[in-house]
Amino acid sequence: EIVLTQSPATLSLSPGERASLSCRASQSVSRYLAWYQQKPGQAPRLLIYEASNRATGIPARFSGSGSGTDFTLTISSLEPEDFAVYYCQQRNNWPRTFGQGTKVEVK
Amino acid sequence: QVQLQQSGPRLVRPSQTLSLTCAISGVSVSSNSVTWTWIRQSPSRGLEWLGRTHYRSQWYDDYAESVRGRMTINADTSKNQFSLQLNSVTPEDTAVYYCARETVHAFDVWGQGTVVTVSS
Repeated sequence: EIVLTQSPATLSLSPGERASLSCRASQSVSRYLAWYQQKPGQAPRLLIYEASNRATGIPARFSGSGSGTDFTLTISSLEPEDFAVYYCQQRNNWPRTFGQGTKVEVK
Repeated sequence: QVQLQQSGPRLVRPSQTLSLTCAISGVSVSSNSVTWTWIRQSPSRGLEWLGRTHYRSQWYDDYAESVRGRMTINADTSKNQFSLQLNSVTPEDTAVYYCARETVHAFDVWGQGTVVTVSS
């Protein structure tokens, strides 16, 4: 099973600041890495698939990069609605696995 | 627009069977390009993929090691839905359960989630 490790666990930032979230895989997942946003009481929402492709309706301030074992989700300028928990997930191998999440909170 | 609507009981007694249904609108459950999935989320285990079913000329399914032998996923083409049955539940199975669609775009559509508590 592929283990995904996200860092940091918590990111304290102000609106307008840039956020960089990391996801590291225990073995290569090629580019089959997705990012999700989850707000309290809601299901996760797909942001990025295949490392760098924005899902339908996702604003351009969200971008993804990386391949192999190291990936980054960047939010270029935080909007109030972006404060949430973010998860990475790999679909290169079975079983599908998720990271433990990074919480982006208001500083 | 594809939507998934979950239904099922929120309280299950230990050793009993947890049953949830995910009704699909906007696409056929038999579509050849998608996989139908159950995922759960708990503070102790995080987001955990449980199993999937999909149709590729015939139905296939497979399950996570943690639930294999206790879990069954079935598709009902007449109702355009799929279901989860988890037998012999324990308090460790307490979680929020989600159904989701997997495509080449990852898990792109999710149900609303069902909070399931296993307790006597």
